[in-house]
Amino acid sequence: LAKTTQPISMDSYEGQEVNITCSHNNIATNDYITWYQQFPSQGPRFIIQGYKTKVTNEVASLFIPADRKSSTLSLPRVSLSDTAVYYCLVGDLRGGDKIIFGKGTRLHILP
Amino acid sequence: DAGVIQSPRHEVTEMGQEVTLRCKPISGHDYLFWYRQTMMRGLELLIYFNNNVPIDDSGMPEDRFSAKMPNASFSTLKIQPSEPRDSAVYFCASSLVHREPGLVKQFFGPGTRLTVL
Repeated sequence: LAKTTQPISMDSYEGQEVNITCSHNNIATNDYITWYQQFPSQGPRFIIQGYKTKVTNEVASLFIPADRKSSTLSLPRVSLSDTAVYYCLVGDLRGGDKIIFGKGTRLHILP
Repeated sequence: DAGVIQSPRHEVTEMGQEVTLRCKPISGHDYLFWYRQTMMRGLELLIYFNNNVPIDDSGMPEDRFSAKMPNASFSTLKIQPSEPRDSAVYFCASSLVHREPGLVKQFFGPGTRLTVL
């Protein structure tokens, strides 16, 4: 199972683009990269998942370089409501990998 | 779609008592996960089921914890006897795994906040 490393916390301002990078140097061939968001007193919410290159949905974009040893979650024009903990997960459940959320990145958006 | 339903939302009990947490997954989902979250240890996977069968219970902390899934629409997590260190928020999540790669898209319930005095 690929171990992930992400910043413990980040601050940004409303209206800015926020990029959170996750390192996963020993990612395996079948592993996907998944990001979750968790607000206080709520369960995590799936944001986006990708395997390579770029994935975009209505919430975020996920950039994955060719070597796949890292990934960057990009949140466009953040608002105060984007203040949350963001988790990067890497693995393949059907391949027997365990699901490890880690401590995540605590993002604080300032007015 | 009602989402994942957990009950109770809050539970306060005394040390030594039995605690039962309940979860109703999203209809049609084939995987169910139980997690525990504390400030110290973060979000930890306890056990997960595929088609009602336990697949990996290596995260269950000790024999005091047990989980069952008697049918596709119901699961329980039981702690007997409970201890103060079991105080945490317990989340249930479900997924439709057979259509998805990777670590799949999990839908989490609102959680049960357990306090053991």
